[in-house]
Amino acid sequence: DTEVTQTPKHLVMGMTNKKSLKCEQHMGHRAMYWYKQKAKKPPELMFVYSYEKLSINESVPSRFSPECPNSSLLNLHLHALQPEDSALYLCASSQEKASGRAGVKDTQYFGPGTRLTVL
Amino acid sequence: GQNIDQPTEMTATEGAIVQINCTYQTSGFNGLFWYQQHAGEAPTFLSYNVLDGLEEKGRFSSFLSRSKGYSYLLLKELQMKDSASYLCAVSYNQGGKLIFGQGTELSVKP
Repeated sequence: DTEVTQTPKHLVMGMTNKKSLKCEQHMGHRAMYWYKQKAKKPPELMFVYSYEKLSINESVPSRFSPECPNSSLLNLHLHALQPEDSALYLCASSQEKASGRAGVKDTQYFGPGTRLTVL
Repeated sequence: GQNIDQPTEMTATEGAIVQINCTYQTSGFNGLFWYQQHAGEAPTFLSYNVLDGLEEKGRFSSFLSRSKGYSYLLLKELQMKDSASYLCAVSYNQGGKLIFGQGTELSVKP
């Protein structure tokens, strides 16, 4: 089973709204990731959590706030977003964070994504 | 920077074979991954290569040459459903990051 689930599937929000994206995996993976993907572009890494601790923040604006409540769950809290933040937000997980020799432990499995539109 | 280069678009015929190339900078290389992404959907893991050589998985194979900084994804017996974007992604010695190429949009025609 390599399933990562994300909710909601679609989200429309205004620039003053606060909303959250949720991601869940039950594969026992200890690394979880948030990516942003614009149309016709590759995914861009936003955050990496390893063993429930924030490991990488790719200089993401503070209007995006990640949270890892436990080893299975990853949230992305959104506040005061801009229309240019509209994108597909992807969650991924892997057994471990990449640590020197890629392979099965580093393989990232993606969730179906949340299509976010900011009006 | 760590540029990953792959062709933007390719077209092939149903039933044929297509090879999608990917080149990358070799310094700090850990491994290389291929993902398939249909429009509006999430990337799906296809294969990974750590050592030189060919990895075969059904109709899909992936090859790696670490000294040349080169990989390819080979798709055999193409089907219409193989029309998708194919993403080459490299793991470097930075821990936790995958660097993605821009993706190759493959169109399979009857």
